[in-house]
Amino acid sequence: KAGVTQTPRYLIKTRGQQVTLSCSPISGHRSVSWYQQTPGQGLQFLFEYFSETQRNKGNFPGRFSGRQFSNSRSEMNVSTLELGDSALYLCASSLGTSGDFDTYNEQFFGPGTRLTVL
Amino acid sequence: KNEVEQSPQNLTAQEGEFITINCSYSVGISALHWLQQHPGGGIVSLFMLSSGKKKHGRLIATINIQEKHSSLHITASHPRDSAVYICAVKKLVFGQGTRLTINP
Repeated sequence: KAGVTQTPRYLIKTRGQQVTLSCSPISGHRSVSWYQQTPGQGLQFLFEYFSETQRNKGNFPGRFSGRQFSNSRSEMNVSTLELGDSALYLCASSLGTSGDFDTYNEQFFGPGTRLTVL
Repeated sequence: KNEVEQSPQNLTAQEGEFITINCSYSVGISALHWLQQHPGGGIVSLFMLSSGKKKHGRLIATINIQEKHSSLHITASHPRDSAVYICAVKKLVFGQGTRLTINP
């Protein structure tokens, strides 16, 4: 069974540009969560989608948005990029109805997209 | 004060040593997850715990819900165990990670 895939794996952008990242969950998984990881802040939750609906959102500005398609694939978009958006962006899928670590649903992570903003 | 505190933040040990990583949390939880992140970024889920103790190979995880504390132990540590270990208790709440380096 294929794992969670993310594209692209590496991306270099300049300030002010926008970027779209893609995540394909494990077949059958309907919950997709996105995380940002930086050396200073560690792992931070961005948002979670289930059945094309955003169910939870972390504390990030409106420049960060996402969506989920009917086949459960998800995209996240960052507009007007800032230097501080340089990070590893990870997505995770879950078989359960919730992507919350407060449940007994294992999260399966993708390899991440490393975004560098110059 | 963070809702989840991990200790130590960095740990260097020799191959074969017994390793303990601690996670203390202040929020009420139903489950706690231990994650492992290798250099390069990929994260894998090691354990999901709601009570007691779990064992996978050389890894053991324990949790005390009353004391709001969990530990991850590695027996007979090996250089391939070198990674960052993260405890997660809720969607928004993660430990800052423990960077473990095992020297041969």
